[in-house]
Amino acid sequence: AQSVTQPDIHITVSEGASLELRCNYSYGATPYLFWYVQSPGQGLQLLLKYFSGDTLVQGIKGFEAEFKRSQSSFNLRKPSVHWSDAAEYFCAVESGGSYIPTFGRGTSLIVHP
Amino acid sequence: EAGVAQSPRYKIIEKRQSVAFWCNPISGHATLYWYQQILGQGPKLLIQFQNNGVVDDSQLPKDRFSAERLKGVDSTLKIQPAKLEDSAVYLCASSSNTGAGNTIYFGEGSWLTVV
Repeated sequence: AQSVTQPDIHITVSEGASLELRCNYSYGATPYLFWYVQSPGQGLQLLLKYFSGDTLVQGIKGFEAEFKRSQSSFNLRKPSVHWSDAAEYFCAVESGGSYIPTFGRGTSLIVHP
Repeated sequence: EAGVAQSPRYKIIEKRQSVAFWCNPISGHATLYWYQQILGQGPKLLIQFQNNGVVDDSQLPKDRFSAERLKGVDSTLKIQPAKLEDSAVYLCASSSNTGAGNTIYFGEGSWLTVV
């Protein structure tokens, strides 16, 4: 069965600093991978997704993620964090056939001024 | 384009009472999902509809949870009787189809507290 691990429960960065949120997945074949963001009191919003092709994926709000098959990882990055990026970030994996994403437990991003 | 609408946004009930949540998906979206998100966890799928038929309800606690999607548009999720562990955010989501890698659009959620 597919699964997703987000090893960091909380990440704290200073505004303007770079960011990397980790995500590891478990699935035999190449999965479909997603990153969602959830601001306080809001639903989830899709940041980006990977299906195939270029392993570096660009998303909204200046985010990008890189698929590394050898490490079973799909880490999310942003070169310069803004205070408005403070939110909960969820990685999700979807395997062929289910078409329903399985979510990780999330990483809470705290941004210091 | 209007997003996924949910109501009520917040509900507090006592254990053993019942509660119902309503969802109106994005217009034209055939697929509707209900997720449960417990504090500190990622969303967990409860049920998926394709039009007015159930595609997957394997994780729905059917002894107390029920959901319907009459006419293939709006949906209602009911909990009866509620337990303390049902305290969570109930997220409704929709998508235009069920294909691989399909983009799912989420509502803002209905926050349930069972006391």
